[in-house]
Amino acid sequence: GQQLNQSPQSMFIQEGEDVSMNCTSSSIFNTWLWYKQDPGEGPVLLIALYKAGELTSNGRLTAQFGITRKDSFLNISASIPSDVGIYFCAGGINSGGSNYKLTFGKGTLLTVNP
Amino acid sequence: EAGVVQSPRYKIIEKKQPVAFWCNPISGHNTLYWYLQNLGQGPELLIRYENEEAVDDSQLPKDRFSAERLKGVDSTLKIQPAELGDSAVYLCASGQPGDTQYFGPGTRLTVL
Repeated sequence: GQQLNQSPQSMFIQEGEDVSMNCTSSSIFNTWLWYKQDPGEGPVLLIALYKAGELTSNGRLTAQFGITRKDSFLNISASIPSDVGIYFCAGGINSGGSNYKLTFGKGTLLTVNP
Repeated sequence: EAGVVQSPRYKIIEKKQPVAFWCNPISGHNTLYWYLQNLGQGPELLIRYENEEAVDDSQLPKDRFSAERLKGVDSTLKIQPAELGDSAVYLCASGQPGDTQYFGPGTRLTVL
């Protein structure tokens, strides 16, 4: 099956620093999504990308859908303590009825030191 | 608007016992997903429903796992009998065609 390589596995940064993480795949995806998961909670959608080359921002977050459709990155600017959590990328393939079958990366654990 | 509701949030059972998880999707969402999330991993799809029909259950271990969504709203995922390796978080998500998937808080299962 499809697999995503998400890196880095973990990051430990100081408050105020910028963060970058990415996902790569050997397969093409129709959509890329970025989720954040806090302990004991389900993943929460941060950014959704639907077109190759698309660059989308959500506050301090910016994500891009790679032009080859095999990769995506997420940047967080000026990190704050509440950015702590696990960030997952997910690649989507259209599975009929405009629904996407998602394949998730293994996550990037972000720790922000105040 | 209420999010995806799951219960119980935590469940501890002994191996070989049955267990069931319940999910109530966001109102109006026709598509419902059950995911398995092992520690240190991303969610993996078990089954997807369109209304009451299971349209993708290729990843569901059918020897011990079963799911139902009888009226096209709530859904139940069952494991019988549970094994030690089933310890994980079971996530439910819902969505509409063309929309993304919204996740519930999950049920954390521990099998002793």
